[in-house]
Amino acid sequence: EAGVAQSPRYKIIEKRQSVAFWCNPISGHATLYWYQQILGQGPKLLIQFQNNGVVDDSQLPKDRFSAERLKGVDSTLKIQPAKLEDSAVYLCASSLDRGLAETQYFGPGTRLLVL
Amino acid sequence: AQSVTQLGSHVSVSEGALVLLRCNYSSSVPPYLFWYVQYPNQGLQLLLKYTSAATLVKGINGFEAEFKKSETSFHLTKPSAHMSDAAEYFCAVSVQGGADGLTFGKGTHLIIQP
Repeated sequence: EAGVAQSPRYKIIEKRQSVAFWCNPISGHATLYWYQQILGQGPKLLIQFQNNGVVDDSQLPKDRFSAERLKGVDSTLKIQPAKLEDSAVYLCASSLDRGLAETQYFGPGTRLLVL
Repeated sequence: AQSVTQLGSHVSVSEGALVLLRCNYSSSVPPYLFWYVQYPNQGLQLLLKYTSAATLVKGINGFEAEFKKSETSFHLTKPSAHMSDAAEYFCAVSVQGGADGLTFGKGTHLIIQP
């Protein structure tokens, strides 16, 4: 079974530029998450989708971050404009369905460096 | 709101020795608790999870963890460390009434000395 796919794996941009990350979850998984992992810290949830609807985006900086999950499969996370403090690894995860005990499967992440 | 504290950002043990990684949680409602492992340049992989069934949870690669409500702890152990266990370990919590997303600790880097 294929795992969660993310691209690109690495991205370097200058501040004030825009960037987009792509995630393809495990086939059949209804729930998709985006996490931000800053160096030396644990991942922090940015947004959760159930199919193509948003369940929770309370920690998403909406003035610069946006995300969508069209057709309830792939998802894109965008930052516009980027700031230095956005340098981090962006992890995508998926689970079969919603539920506090559901196992979340993580992709390898996209490492972003903002100069 | 729930939170997780992992004691010790770095833990070093000798190969063959006991591994003990500490995790304490804070939650006003019964929690679900998880341990994930992250190898360099890879995503997180689930080791084990507590979902209010048995308090002693066995996971993959010989790891286990015990939920102790009185101590609000969920420490991860392995009887005998192997070189391949060297990685970053994260404890995480989710609670009823919140979103399904996990709240992670800051992680513990496990170093295995030959």
